[in-house]
Order: sequence, then C-alpha cells, then structure tokens
Amino acid sequence: GAGVSQTPSNKVTEKGKYVELRCDPISGHTALYWYRQSLGQGPEFLIYFQGTGAADDSGLPNDRFFAVRPEGSVSTLKIQRTERGDSAVYLCASSLGGMETQYFGPGTRLLVL
Amino acid sequence: RKEVEQDPGPFNVPEGATVAFNCTYSNSASQSFFWYRQDCRKEPKLLMSVYSSGNEDGRFTAQLNRASQYISLLIRDSKLSDSATYLCVVRGSSNTGKLIFGQGTTLQVKP
Repeated sequence: GAGVSQTPSNKVTEKGKYVELRCDPISGHTALYWYRQSLGQGPEFLIYFQGTGAADDSGLPNDRFFAVRPEGSVSTLKIQRTERGDSAVYLCASSLGGMETQYFGPGTRLLVL
Repeated sequence: RKEVEQDPGPFNVPEGATVAFNCTYSNSASQSFFWYRQDCRKEPKLLMSVYSSGNEDGRFTAQLNRASQYISLLIRDSKLSDSATYLCVVRGSSNTGKLIFGQGTTLQVKP
C-alpha cells in the first residue's frame, strides 16, 4: 500500500517568508509525528498528533512553528517568519497508534536563503 | 549532554567484516529501543527493535543492557549494501510514542 507522502519534496524560500509543509499519512494511522533533521544529526521530535489533537507539542522550537491536523488525516506544518536556521529536512511519520512502529515519509528539504 | 549518544564514525570496513556499533542513553525510564537505518538523502527505516534478552535478524544482532543504559548492534559478514547511517533510537518515558534519535553512526563497507 501507499506509504507516508510529503509535499513539496524541496522548498526554497527567503528569510522572513511563510511556508507550509504537508504530510499525508498511511491510511488508517491515527498517530502522526513531525521531526526535523539537520545535516549530520539525527531527527528531532517536533509534535505528535493523536487523531485531530496535538497530544504533545513539546518539541516545537518557538511560536513561529505551528501544525494542524483538522480531519485526523493530512497534517500541515506551518512556519512563520522563516530564519536561515530553520533550514533542515522536515520528516513526517505515522503509526497505527501512539506506541506502534513509526513509518517515515521521504521528507521535505527546506532551504531558507 | 544528549539523551542518546553514538559515535558518528565513519566506520570503514571491508566486505565480510564484522562491525559493532554502540550507543548510550541517559533516561533510565526509557521504555523501548530500536535501530533505524538511513540511506543517504532518504528517510529512516526501522531495522530492528532491541530487547533485553537480545535479538537476532539474519546477520544483525542487537542487545540492550538496561543497567548500563547501553545498546549495541552487531553486523556480521558485512555487505556493500549495508553502507548507510545507523540511528540508535529510544522511545521516551511518556506515553506519546515520540522517538529520541542519536546522531547516527555512518558505515561504509568497501570491496
């Protein structure tokens, strides 16, 4: 079946602009996670959704970052007033439940100039 | 101090060699442990879970030592296709399922 998909695969933007990154999880997966991976580092947790609600947003670095999952399926990660330090690969993962195996999407490579 | 620490390498080994990676974690309340594999410019993929009793999957053996908060991965008879970054991963003590990743250890298997 289809895996986790993410769009766009690459995004180049200018400092100060607003960006939206989309994640389409595996069908039937109620849990959805966003992670951020900087060059040479492992992924870092950002936020976890169980259904429509953000059950854990402790990894969001500041209030410029926000994510939604209005219908419990597709999620959008929104970054306001982007900074060069936001440049990274943003990974989405989904799982059947909160403690099940997480399957990752291919990521969105964000470059802020 | 990072919650999960790994030697980033790189480890350069010839085909057929046996190679071992180690990892330590700081939170003694951590509940689950994994090794993920990540190929260059690809997403991480689950390689295997790690249990206290140790577990084996073909050429791969993983071990967990809770007392020392130490996780290991052994790869026997290395193949060229094993070249990748191996991420040590811990599931935290909360019930959210969030994964905490180490920096990753890069393995390059050479002919």
